[in-house]
Amino acid sequence: DGGITQSPKYLFRKEGQNVTLSCEQNLNHDAMYWYRQDPGQGLRLIYYSQIVNDFQKGDIAEGYSVSREKKESFPLTVTSAQKNPTAFYLCASNLFDRGREPQHFGDGTRLSIL
Amino acid sequence: QKEVEQNSGPLSVPEGAIASLNCTYSDRGSQSFFWYRQYSGKSPELIMFIYSNGDKEDGRFTAQLNKASQYVSLLIRDSQPSDSATYLCAAGLSNYGGATNKLIFGTGTLLAVQP
Repeated sequence: DGGITQSPKYLFRKEGQNVTLSCEQNLNHDAMYWYRQDPGQGLRLIYYSQIVNDFQKGDIAEGYSVSREKKESFPLTVTSAQKNPTAFYLCASNLFDRGREPQHFGDGTRLSIL
Repeated sequence: QKEVEQNSGPLSVPEGAIASLNCTYSDRGSQSFFWYRQYSGKSPELIMFIYSNGDKEDGRFTAQLNKASQYVSLLIRDSQPSDSATYLCAAGLSNYGGATNKLIFGTGTLLAVQP
């Protein structure tokens, strides 16, 4: 089945450690996104990519990094510079049509600090 | 700063009633609008999208758009306890001179349908 796969479902980070969240899609979507959601809050955009080998910062990019080497993959690294990483991380993707295409979401990764 | 605003709720309705969820947006150039449902602890799932002024119906759901008032709403008829969730409104950013696929999300309205 086509879809967006995020892994792992739960992740724990130690002090000073970088961790990488995986996002893979087999929908042949052009654009991919990473959002952060804190309890009781909306979605905040971390990074997005509209084409392979190109990505843009969102509203809260500090302490995060991404790569887009393949169309189907958009991993997010939470670096040790992100001092408050505990949150629900959501990956989304859509076809590129100037904002007219809905974004579809993976099941998310919950990140906590040990 | 482009924004989408929603009342956080909770909006409590009895089973079988019509639930009305509202959203306003600040980007006058936005052309596309989306409603997502998010159950507690889960990821958002798309319910409906609307591009044109007026109403769009899909089963028990009706999306309404008024671009002059910059207002979007979602009506849920015959509300069921299984509709209890947070409903997120999102607007596509306008594309003055550029191309973007980004959406701006509201913080969501919590709907509680009472049996």
